[in-house]
Amino acid sequence: GQSLEQPSEVTAVEGAIVQINCTYQTSGFYGLSWYQQHDGGAPTFLSYNALDGLEETGRFSSFLSRSDSYGYLLLQELQMKDSASYFCAVRDGRDDKIIFGKGTRLHILP
Amino acid sequence: EAGVTQFPSHSVIEKGQTVTLRCDPISGHDNLYWYRRVMGKEIKFLLHFVKESKQDESGMPNNRFLAERTGGTYSTLKVQPAELEDSGVYFCASSLTSESSYEQYFGPGTRLTVT
Repeated sequence: GQSLEQPSEVTAVEGAIVQINCTYQTSGFYGLSWYQQHDGGAPTFLSYNALDGLEETGRFSSFLSRSDSYGYLLLQELQMKDSASYFCAVRDGRDDKIIFGKGTRLHILP
Repeated sequence: EAGVTQFPSHSVIEKGQTVTLRCDPISGHDNLYWYRRVMGKEIKFLLHFVKESKQDESGMPNNRFLAERTGGTYSTLKVQPAELEDSGVYFCASSLTSESSYEQYFGPGTRLTVT
């Protein structure tokens, strides 16, 4: 079967750093994406890793280890507006389908 | 550039009724996807269009769901007859090409409540 595992909730303090992990088990793998969704809003694309290593985009970074079927999203200098759900998603094959995890709800405390 | 739009934003219908959801992708995006999220669960893939053709409809739950994309522009998703378990938020997304499917642009969703 195909599955993505990520924590259901994470709590962190404003200004701190938080890491959201994602492990996956899929029949195929072309890359790992991360999406952010605020309550009542649409998922928005954050990052994509096709190769091992760290990709940095401003305060957000994403990491992938293909050999470990593992990735994470790192959020630095947390701001209250970062309170949202974060989804990892696997592009599992050449046919363009992406499979989403259940999402991690990030709570940020002042 | 206008984003992905969906209509209606909310729909409340009774079990057994019919509902049609509409999605207008970003202009020029050949790829269009439908997803559903039930509270607390994953964003579940329903189907994928490339232009007017169904590329993959493996996620469609049953034959009560019918999606179309006539002319390769907007798409509709019809649920007939609706059941209680069809409640959830239906998202539409688009991507420019198949190769860029990892970066999808989502619409605001249609919240469907079946009572």
